[in-house]
Amino acid sequence: AQSVTQPDIHITVSEGASLELRCNYSYGATPYLFWYVQSPGQGLQLLLKYFSGDTLVQGIKGFEAEFKRSQSSFNLRKPSVHWSDAAEYFCASTSGTYKYIFGTGTRLKVLA
Amino acid sequence: SAVISQKPSRDICQRGTSLTIQCQVDSQVTMMFWYRQQPGQSLTLIATANQGSEATYESGFVIDKFPISRPNLTFSTLTVSNMSPEDSSIYLCSVFSSGRSAYNEQFFGPGTRLTVL
Repeated sequence: AQSVTQPDIHITVSEGASLELRCNYSYGATPYLFWYVQSPGQGLQLLLKYFSGDTLVQGIKGFEAEFKRSQSSFNLRKPSVHWSDAAEYFCASTSGTYKYIFGTGTRLKVLA
Repeated sequence: SAVISQKPSRDICQRGTSLTIQCQVDSQVTMMFWYRQQPGQSLTLIATANQGSEATYESGFVIDKFPISRPNLTFSTLTVSNMSPEDSSIYLCSVFSSGRSAYNEQFFGPGTRLTVL
């Protein structure tokens, strides 16, 4: 069965430091992969998505993610974190339908 | 893009009662989706709300517990019936920017935070 794993429940980084949030997927073929961010009291907002082609995907707010088939990973990165990036981040996948499989989320805390 | 609003934003309810959550979209969409986000858990799809037909429920979710209405192309309601503390969750509705393909962006409402005592 398809699954998405986010190994880190909480991550704390200092403002200005780099960030990497991990995501591993389990699916036989190449899935469609997404990263969403959820700020307190807000709905989920799409940061970026990968369907095919270039394995390094650029998103909004300075985020990028790299698809690595050999590692079944789709990690989210940002070179310099801002205090406003504090939120919960969800990785999701689908085989191509509207049924998304979400990870359990990673809560990011940013220290001033 | 799609702008989605939900009412109420949060509620505290007593065991055994029911709560109806409203979802309003600023554009007409064929399909609307209801998710549950339990504390410390991932989002789980409850059902797909189709205008003009019965909702389609995912495994583990039944119509008697989560009845859904879809009276028009911009509105849907989800009722959580005969609530128990295990129903304490955030409930979110979502739509796709167009069609239901994964190629299209999925937009989410702000969620309804439900606490059952």
